[in-house]
Amino acid sequence: SQQGEEDPQALSIQEGENATMNCSYKTSINNLQWYRQNSGRGLVHLILIRSNEREKHSGRLRVTLDTSKKSSSLLITASRAADTASYFCATDKDDYKLSFGAGTTVTVRA
Amino acid sequence: KAGVTQTPRYLIKTRGQQVTLSCSPISGHRSVSWYQQTPGQGLQFLFEYFSETQRNKGNFPGRFSGRQFSNSRSEMNVSTLELGDSALYLCASRPSRSTDTQYFGPGTRLTVL
Repeated sequence: SQQGEEDPQALSIQEGENATMNCSYKTSINNLQWYRQNSGRGLVHLILIRSNEREKHSGRLRVTLDTSKKSSSLLITASRAADTASYFCATDKDDYKLSFGAGTTVTVRA
Repeated sequence: KAGVTQTPRYLIKTRGQQVTLSCSPISGHRSVSWYQQTPGQGLQFLFEYFSETQRNKGNFPGRFSGRQFSNSRSEMNVSTLELGDSALYLCASRPSRSTDTQYFGPGTRLTVL
């Protein structure tokens, strides 16, 4: 069973716009991670935020974590065509395995 | 360093057959995990190996098994294949069990006819 749920399921934006996607989870976590997947290929690790952190930045990515609401958001700023992909949140409950959400499919239109 | 490699990349089998998938982790990585990705169930954890021992197992039937060798390479085996086993099988490695970030391979696309 999946730990997290993401919304929206799909997102279509214009190049240069920002993309925001959200992830909710059910149980306490050690950390939350975001991954990108292009066309059914392998997952690429984007960013990790620990349970005692509230916000983290990496390049054009900004992640927030609200443990009281058990939710996280990923913001991609100034989107590019190359950002077209599926994005997954994954929670780590300190049990050495990741529980993934269903993913958000992002399409960036030129 | 070379990334995680998985072989074969694509595989077609028929129901009832068995299959073995291989994963070579990043050099120096000793923990290897396997995940199954399907359109219906999404990404699900199969099992994790560290120091040639299975440390963790997901909720999959006994038809799914795996092993890890002394060089940290791992294989997973699925016996008596069913149509529902058609999926992308992803392998991930990390230096140790205490490392949070996992590095994924490109996956093996298994189709069961």
